[in-house]
Amino acid sequence: EVQLLESGGGLVQPGGSLRLSCVASGFIFNSYAMNWVRQVPGKGLEWVSGIGPRGVSKYYADSVKGRFTISRDNSKSALYLQMNSLRAEDTAIYYCAKSPNWGAVRPTCFENWGQGTLVTVSS
Amino acid sequence: DIQLTQSPSFLSASVGDRVTITCRASQGISSFLAWYQQKPGKAPKLLIYAASTLQSGVPSRFSGSGSGTDFTLTISSLQPEDFATYYCQQLNTYPLTFGGGTKVEIK
Repeated sequence: EVQLLESGGGLVQPGGSLRLSCVASGFIFNSYAMNWVRQVPGKGLEWVSGIGPRGVSKYYADSVKGRFTISRDNSKSALYLQMNSLRAEDTAIYYCAKSPNWGAVRPTCFENWGQGTLVTVSS
Repeated sequence: DIQLTQSPSFLSASVGDRVTITCRASQGISSFLAWYQQKPGKAPKLLIYAASTLQSGVPSRFSGSGSGTDFTLTISSLQPEDFATYYCQQLNTYPLTFGGGTKVEIK
């Protein structure tokens, strides 16, 4: 069974940094692209960032480009999101999501999702 | 960036109703479209990918159609557990984008 467990959320001041983690199990982690999606509570979904299976190809939403960095450690089956220069508008639940496409950089959907971790940016 | 416009944004329906939600892309995305269902306090759940392929385990009352710029999600006979918010997502071009959502509530 695929499991994705996010952690690292919390309260941070504007301008601060936070590192989110997503630990995966139940599948061969190094063969699948992974993504981060966020959602302001009560609002819609926003794709944040994606990374290919080997960690070479990385993609970002314009809203986070230059501030957030996605990475993965395939030896630990872990996905990360380093968030710097945080703003109030980054406040959201952050989900990690798995592609179903073995070996592909671009997913055809997000087949599995974690339960999310809440990031609150406030003074 | 490719914009996805979902309509309606809110829908009130009864159990047994046929429900159709549309998703229009600002430019052609072939069939790189997925649909998700989300219930309060839960992560989204994949329903359909490649515009019309039903995800394993999803009831057959859900169906998707379309290609290019116009897509639809249809629930043939609405069940109590289907009251939720539905999102479309395009995966043709980075940055990936989601529609604004359609909330389906009980009439």
